[in-house]
Amino acid sequence: DAKTTQPNSMESNEEEPVHLPCNHSTISGTDYIHWYRQLPSQGPEYVIHGLTSNVNNRMASLAIAEDRKSSTLILHRATLRDAAVYYCILRDPGYALNFGKGTSLLVTP
Amino acid sequence: EAGVAQSPRYKIIEKRQSVAFWCNPISGHATLYWYQQILGQGPKLLIQFQNNGVVDDSQLPKDRFSAERLKGVDSTLKIQPAKLEDSAVYLCASSSVGGATGELFFGEGSRLTVL
Repeated sequence: DAKTTQPNSMESNEEEPVHLPCNHSTISGTDYIHWYRQLPSQGPEYVIHGLTSNVNNRMASLAIAEDRKSSTLILHRATLRDAAVYYCILRDPGYALNFGKGTSLLVTP
Repeated sequence: EAGVAQSPRYKIIEKRQSVAFWCNPISGHATLYWYQQILGQGPKLLIQFQNNGVVDDSQLPKDRFSAERLKGVDSTLKIQPAKLEDSAVYLCASSSVGGATGELFFGEGSRLTVL
């Protein structure tokens, strides 16, 4: 499995943008980049995914490097409810999600 | 739309006892997954079903864990006998499509404590 590297933790102020980095230097051409997050005492929830182009949805934006060896999840205005563990996952077609340890995001008022 | 339902939410057992967890996926979702999440770690895939067939159970400790998905809908995960290291949250997820793009929907999980 291709691996991802994320910082263990990050901190942000409320209402400021947050950029969560992910390195995946061994990504293959067919791997999709998925982001999930896990709020305390809940199951993970889908945030966004992409292959090559940058993606936007109501929750976040995903910026993918041109060589696809890294990506960044962007939360445009962090709220206290965004405090969670964020997982960056490479997904082979036909395979399940393999989670790493993720980045624990702390949002302070 | 109803989400993924799991029960029980909490279970405490003694080591060497058995336990079973139940999952009802989102209606119409063909793919069902069981994950184990130990405190401080990310979820680890135990088994993946497509309808009622097993797609991947390579990380399922088959000497003590078993899972079934009869009729391609509900699923049960059983542990017998339980060990201390089985203390974890057991997460069930489902998706409507396989492949690399299908979104997984997770339940709230079943927290197991083995004493």
